[in-house]
Amino acid sequence: GAVVSQHPSWVICKSGTSVKIECRSLDFQATTMFWYRQFPKQSLMLMATSNEGSKATYEQGVEKDKFLINHASLTLSTLTVTSAHPEDSSFYICSARAGQSNTGELFFGEGSRLTVL
Amino acid sequence: AQRVTQPEKLLSVFKGAPVELKCNYSYSGSPELFWYVQYSRQRLQLLLRHISRESIKGFTADLNKGETSFHLKKPFAQEEDSAMYYCALRTGRRALTFGSGTRLQVQP
Repeated sequence: GAVVSQHPSWVICKSGTSVKIECRSLDFQATTMFWYRQFPKQSLMLMATSNEGSKATYEQGVEKDKFLINHASLTLSTLTVTSAHPEDSSFYICSARAGQSNTGELFFGEGSRLTVL
Repeated sequence: AQRVTQPEKLLSVFKGAPVELKCNYSYSGSPELFWYVQYSRQRLQLLLRHISRESIKGFTADLNKGETSFHLKKPFAQEEDSAMYYCALRTGRRALTFGSGTRLQVQP
């Protein structure tokens, strides 16, 4: 099946710094990618929908200036957590849809664990 | 707004016993329901979807619109079925809304 890769798998940073997480579709083109956040023992919460070549659509309550999303190519979307604080520590997961159809299967990355000290 | 509820955080059964992981949803439109599985140290992967009406690894799930449920069932659990299971609903915006997940432990 299709593969979605995230990098880094885990990152530790100091409070106030910015961290970039990459999400790549390795063997298919993804016009749409989704970014989720997962707190310990909780479900995945959709943060934003990333569309190639256009601005991301953020879910209610997600600060777009805090979580910058860029989807500059059909195989890469990035999530930048700006001025990170300890409460931003979480597991961030991306998913990408294969194909142009809205009903295409979603494939998930392995996740990126962010710890802000 | 759409919502997916998985009432059980943990379900522990013995090998060979039947399994039913519950999932209920609320959504005003026509739902697309999925079950995703996450094995230890692995990424989330699709197990099955209601439109396919197929059985994967012995698991089946039937969409019951009257009860707004999409329970996952398997007649005889295997140890390798131990994992985290998430029920998910696809909305008109094509993003997935996940339930809180149920951890299935199959004991030998």
